[in-house]
Amino acid sequence: GQQLNQSPQSMFIQEGEDVSMNCTSSSIFNTWLWYKQEPGEGPVLLIALYKAGELTSNGRLTAQFGITRKDSFLNISASIPSDVGIYFCAGRIFTSGTYKYIFGTGTRLKVLA
Amino acid sequence: DVKVTQSSRYLVKRTGEKVFLECVQDMDHENMFWYRQDPGLGLRLIYFSYDVKMKEKGDIPEGYSVSREKKERFSLILESASTNQTSMYLCASNGGSSYNSPLHFGNGTRLTV
Repeated sequence: GQQLNQSPQSMFIQEGEDVSMNCTSSSIFNTWLWYKQEPGEGPVLLIALYKAGELTSNGRLTAQFGITRKDSFLNISASIPSDVGIYFCAGRIFTSGTYKYIFGTGTRLKVLA
Repeated sequence: DVKVTQSSRYLVKRTGEKVFLECVQDMDHENMFWYRQDPGLGLRLIYFSYDVKMKEKGDIPEGYSVSREKKERFSLILESASTNQTSMYLCASNGGSSYNSPLHFGNGTRLTV
């Protein structure tokens, strides 16, 4: 199935550093969602974006819906050890008469204390 | 908070067995989805349902069926389990075609065949 291009694939960072990741696509989306998934658990919704240009924060997390509607980024400020996990994006698209979610390939984040 | 509950966290089954994965949501959501998640392949949609007794095939429906007899419950059935169905299975739900209704996931069921 189709997947969104997400980068970076993985990253090691020091505690306290800021983190940035993004998703890009050749398709236009009407919703962008960002999730965090820890080992053996289901994805947990972090931020939902509904309008082009929208910038939304959730604590130390900030995400933006790209102006072209083809991309989105997620920033984590002042990372802490519990930020470890896999982050992935999802875009919602209307295709073939129905809504469909396309998911990113994931960014594996490891935080060094 | 939205709660999507999957009945089993871990399952071990033999090839040829019939397997039932159950999912219940408590937010009166119209839409429910079953995905499987595999390393390197991301989330792939198996089946989804927009209403009671309604079901639509996703991207990889072969070897699976579903049942939605009540609005809050969506079951995934493996008619005859095979080793290539070993995976993490994720149930998700959201409310209708509403713009502001992000996808919420359950905790997942890790199935080993």
